[in-house]
Amino acid sequence: DTGVSQNPRHKITKRGQNVTFRCDPISEHNRLYWYRQTLGQGPEFLTYFQNEAQLEKSRLLSDRFSAERPKGSFSTLEIQRTEQGDSAMYLCASSLHSNSPLHFGNGTRLTVT
Amino acid sequence: DAKTTQPNSMESNEEEPVHLPCNHSTISGTDYIHWYRQLPSQGPEYVIHGLTSNVNNRMASLAIAEDRKSSTLILHRATLRDAAVYYCIPRDDKIIFGKGTRLHILP
Repeated sequence: DTGVSQNPRHKITKRGQNVTFRCDPISEHNRLYWYRQTLGQGPEFLTYFQNEAQLEKSRLLSDRFSAERPKGSFSTLEIQRTEQGDSAMYLCASSLHSNSPLHFGNGTRLTVT
Repeated sequence: DAKTTQPNSMESNEEEPVHLPCNHSTISGTDYIHWYRQLPSQGPEYVIHGLTSNVNNRMASLAIAEDRKSSTLILHRATLRDAAVYYCIPRDDKIIFGKGTRLHILP
């Protein structure tokens, strides 16, 4: 068990560019979650998966954001046409099932210039 | 989604017990109460969870009120490494974080 792994750790991009982040959950964890966190705030829920099915997407998430988990293992989060307001820490977490604790990665810090 | 109320910040002396309160009066009957903490520059870390009975693990204890509308996380002997933001969360399908309590430990 190597924990939840997120790549890259840091990403700097120019406004208008597309970015993609990857999350590798703990193996056999069927739930996977994405959160966004800005300075001084708690993590904000974005979306989550049960295996490969995306079960819910936050209403705060614009159409520029898309997440996939094609084989029920790793997941990707893509942001198209990035804006400066997208600058944040993007956190991924996984859990064994719906009631079990979440295990978080250390996040991907996005800076949009 | 059940809402929670926690103090914005608390302070404690090193090596003393700390009691972190949380109100979750709208919690549903089947939601577990989860506690997480977040150290600077890290992702949140699971601390403890429970449903109705008090719970203990190597990190902390969780005391749950009989009506389940509140709970208290207990750190028995705080160290400087316990300085973090602590989040109390009723666990449903997704975990919704509030603002949490920032715990300061004084040496």
